[in-house]
Formats: sequence, C-alpha cells, structure tokens
Amino acid sequence: DTAVSQTPKYLVTQMGNDKSIKCEQNLGHDTMYWYKQDSKKFLKIMFSYNNKELIINETVPNRFSPKSPDKAHLNLHINSLELGDSAVYFCASKVSATDTQYFGPGTRLTVL
Amino acid sequence: AQSVTQLGSHVSVSEGALVLLRCNYSSSVPPYLFWYVQYPNQGLQLLLKYTSAATLVKGINGFEAEFKKSETSFHLTKPSAHMSDAAEYFCAVSPKAAGNKLTFGGGTRVLVKP
Repeated sequence: DTAVSQTPKYLVTQMGNDKSIKCEQNLGHDTMYWYKQDSKKFLKIMFSYNNKELIINETVPNRFSPKSPDKAHLNLHINSLELGDSAVYFCASKVSATDTQYFGPGTRLTVL
Repeated sequence: AQSVTQLGSHVSVSEGALVLLRCNYSSSVPPYLFWYVQYPNQGLQLLLKYTSAATLVKGINGFEAEFKKSETSFHLTKPSAHMSDAAEYFCAVSPKAAGNKLTFGGGTRVLVKP
C-alpha cells in the first residue's frame, strides 16, 4: 500500500542512452512533481503537473520530458543521457488546495 | 523569488543533547515552511510544517520548530537527541499559491555520538 512509488529504484546506464523513470501515487492527489537531488544532496524542482497539465517547468534541458497519462502517474523520460544527469530523482504529490507534498523513495540514476 | 539557507552542512551532537538546526528564509510573500528528514537511501519524510497558524509547531519524533517572522527563521529543535535521529534534514519554503513548488535549503547532516 505504498503511497508514492517509483520504478526503478536504481538505474545504471551509458551516456547517450534514453531512459524513463515512472512514478505512481495512490493517494488520490491531483498535483505531482519531479525533483532532482544532486551528489551534494541539493534538491531542486524540475516539473509539476496538475490534473495532467504542466504547471511548472524549471528551465530543465529539453532532453527531459515529463508525461502524465493520468492524475495518478507522472513519468520522466530522459534522452541522450549525460554524466551530469547522474542524481537521485524524487517524485512527489499533493492535493492542489493543500500544502504538504508526499515524496516517493527516489530513483538513483547513474550515467557512466 | 524564494530562498532558504541552512547554517551548517554538518551538525554533531551527543546522544541526549539538544539538537538545533538553523533555517533562514527569504520570501516576498508569506510562505509555508517545512522541515523534511531523509534517512540514508530513503525518500523525504515530513517532520513538521508552518502554515500561518501557531508559530510554535510540533512535529513527529519529538521535533519542534518556531516561526519567527522578524528574524525570517524557522529553526528546528529537539531537546534530547537519539541515535535514530542521525539523518539529513532539509528546510523548505513554498508560496501560498497554486503549484506550491518547494524550494529547499542545502540540507544539514546530523551525526549523533553515543
């Protein structure tokens, strides 16, 4: 009965490859987010979707493309992976009228 | 624009001693403020939040934080540290608006010595 889940938990790949990370929440929330945590633990928002519509896009390279097939899912596709994309990616969700975001366990992406 | 500064990237305390983690924010509008904890190789868990109700906020695991508007601070404290408190702690701010993106501080790693 995990609230916010992400798959995979670990992802190791070569530079130049394309990969996807999936996020699902079973909390009935309508707003979902992607955050990136770099090697120094710094967390920064990347995207936010509300009811499947993009509402925040924080100057992320267009190699990153989020997709929200429905309110419960927000996937992140990354093209042409670079070494600098190595990080932990966190998905989060909340109800739009509330203040608290709930985070998934993270996906550790390593680009070799 | 909003920003968060956490003073001290590492804090070492003895078991049973006071834990004090400092957070100062900058915001052009009244914000919401949060403290999250991240245990090794895990996601972020909400410790407590300030959303313009009481300025002294109590959270889980014996933590509390006080919102001081005049000092633009939201410091986190726990009277008596436990070994299980060893983790990374993040202060975050968000506007009271649609989207509510979180802006995080740089994090403070807490080490608890026996």
